[in-house]
Amino acid sequence: GQNIDQPTEMTATEGAIVQINCTYQTSGFNGLFWYQQHAGEAPTFLSYNVLDGLEEKGRFSSFLSRSKGYSYLLLKELQMKDSASYLCAVRPEDTDKLIFGTGTRLQVFP
Amino acid sequence: DSGVTQTPKHLITATGQRVTLRCSPRSGDLSVYWYQQSLDQGLQFLIQYYNGEERAKGNILERFSAQQFPDLHSELNLSSLELGDSALYFCASSSPTSGSYNEQFFGPGTRLTVL
Repeated sequence: GQNIDQPTEMTATEGAIVQINCTYQTSGFNGLFWYQQHAGEAPTFLSYNVLDGLEEKGRFSSFLSRSKGYSYLLLKELQMKDSASYLCAVRPEDTDKLIFGTGTRLQVFP
Repeated sequence: DSGVTQTPKHLITATGQRVTLRCSPRSGDLSVYWYQQSLDQGLQFLIQYYNGEERAKGNILERFSAQQFPDLHSELNLSSLELGDSALYFCASSSPTSGSYNEQFFGPGTRLTVL
């Protein structure tokens, strides 16, 4: 089967650091994506991991451990505009489709 | 702006009706994907087309069908609509030769309301 788990909601303070976790169980693995989605808008690509380790991209970093079926998205120096849903998605082997988790709704407070 | 366009932006219709959602992929992208996003669920993959051919199928209902035309635009047809079909429908496109990771670029979505 295929299953992706993320916390439903998180809150944080402006300027702080937040880590959003994602665990997955899928039939084969060919990469993990993180997308940001503001309410009612299109998801936008944030990061991609296919090998174990940390990928850093400005204020955002993403980590992957394939043996543990685990990833996290780290957001630093939080800004109000970071309030959004963060979607973890896995690309199974031999396919281009994405399997999405239900998303983590992050609220950033002043 | 991802470069993927979808029309219409909003659609309100009644149960039992049929609607068509349209998507134009980014220039040069050969793959088109359709996803459904309901309030209480994440993005659910429906179907993928690649250069006019069906490539992968997800949990797409038999009442739903899709196609990709020679100019690469795609249409998703939803028939015998039910209240539970109310959702945001997203189209995405990708190409191995654009984007660093063959990532999918999403359109703005069509919000379907079935009354």
